[in-house]
Amino acid sequence: QSVLTQPPSVSGAPGQRVTISCTGSSSNIGAGYDVHWYSQLPGTAPKLLIYENSHRPSGVPDRFSGSESGTSASLAITGLQAEDEADYYCQSYDSSLSGYVFGTGTKVTVL
Amino acid sequence: QVQLVESGGGVVQPGRSLRLSCAASGFTFSSYAMQWVRQAPGKGLEWVAVISYDGGKKYYADSVKGRFTISRDNSKNTLYLEMNSLRSEDTAVYYCARGRGRDGYQYFDYWGQGTLVTVSS
Repeated sequence: QSVLTQPPSVSGAPGQRVTISCTGSSSNIGAGYDVHWYSQLPGTAPKLLIYENSHRPSGVPDRFSGSESGTSASLAITGLQAEDEADYYCQSYDSSLSGYVFGTGTKVTVL
Repeated sequence: QVQLVESGGGVVQPGRSLRLSCAASGFTFSSYAMQWVRQAPGKGLEWVAVISYDGGKKYYADSVKGRFTISRDNSKNTLYLEMNSLRSEDTAVYYCARGRGRDGYQYFDYWGQGTLVTVSS
């Protein structure tokens, strides 16, 4: 059971904006630990999407953005495209567990 | 370019052992922390273990503590995961990943393709 909670699924039409929440607690996001985001296509390895709350690695489109506030973080995808259909995971560190943790994962569907 | 290639997966009986390897290339392996992350079939990602750049610090998820051992050989650019007393719930694809950032703030910027471990009698 993950300590970071995400909605199981979100969907949107092409061109729309969707957001994925990542809800934590005072021992992880609320303690100031950074949140990072990954995307994963079926049958493939995860890919880094956002690091340190809001930074994009080179090659990641600026349609993807991250933010963090209090005990939660969010990933926003603007101008949704068919190729954005994937599973998305947040990741942080938890001081109570003394280890890294992933969110429960969110499946994004492009209608 | 950075490459991480896992090997050593397979089918193993409960209670037995297995050792996974991750061969790294395209970067200075000895300068980076390395991680193991697993994913059970149809499930989400689960962090397993991390080892510091020099092997001096190792941390584990509670679910594997005392059964799994992470290690590295910087002369061979290879990361290992020794898995003992395997259980059915250890069945998963195991990924190695490169860690970036300081302790407690790391993210995983490159991932291998994964190796499947199936624990079954």
